[in-house]
Amino acid sequence: DTGVSQDPRHKITKRGQNVTFRCDPISEHNRLYWYRQTLGQGPEFLTYFQNEAQLEKSRLLSDRFSAERPKGSFSTLEIQRTEQGDSAMYLCASSSTAGRGLYNEQFFGPGTRLTVL
Amino acid sequence: GQNIDQPTEMTATEGAIVQINCTYQTSGFNGLFWYQQHAGEAPTFLSYNVLDGLEEKGRFSSFLSRSKGYSYLLLKELQMKDSASYLCAVMGAAGNKLTFGGGTRVLVKP
Repeated sequence: DTGVSQDPRHKITKRGQNVTFRCDPISEHNRLYWYRQTLGQGPEFLTYFQNEAQLEKSRLLSDRFSAERPKGSFSTLEIQRTEQGDSAMYLCASSSTAGRGLYNEQFFGPGTRLTVL
Repeated sequence: GQNIDQPTEMTATEGAIVQINCTYQTSGFNGLFWYQQHAGEAPTFLSYNVLDGLEEKGRFSSFLSRSKGYSYLLLKELQMKDSASYLCAVMGAAGNKLTFGGGTRVLVKP
């Protein structure tokens, strides 16, 4: 399977614990995005990388959240001191700016569902 | 900022047609996307419009009017497997992040 992969698919943690999620984008894609989706809502943008550079962060991304993409390939999203309000699906997507199409289509991974007890 | 509105839920009968409307107000625009999302799964790409008019792709069509800030997704010959959420998303002027509406949950009944 050459699509976007995320690990783990599900994570249950206790309030106050730290969690880390991983995303592996499609191999030739230089852009990587993180979104958060709560039940019954559309995804909300969190941050994105072009290669290893983090180019934009949403105001939703509090200082408890940090994302990295150290070698411009996979990315990690860490949440420190988790709160119950962090419970959501965390989606990763990737795209290529070198695409032949007219648009910068984003391909989504299956997501990591986080439950904070 | 960006504001994107679409109905929360729609119900239709197998074999029928359903039209999902999306209105948007954005500070920049570089195209409008429609994604399909089945429960518990990743969104999958359906269509992209950047110019005014209708784009047809099999049973699915999408329309855009930039002057009205309006798009719709038309699903024809509905099948049970079309029961899903349909997400309208606008790409900002910088051509990077997507801003999504809340999604429209479509329920197809036999």
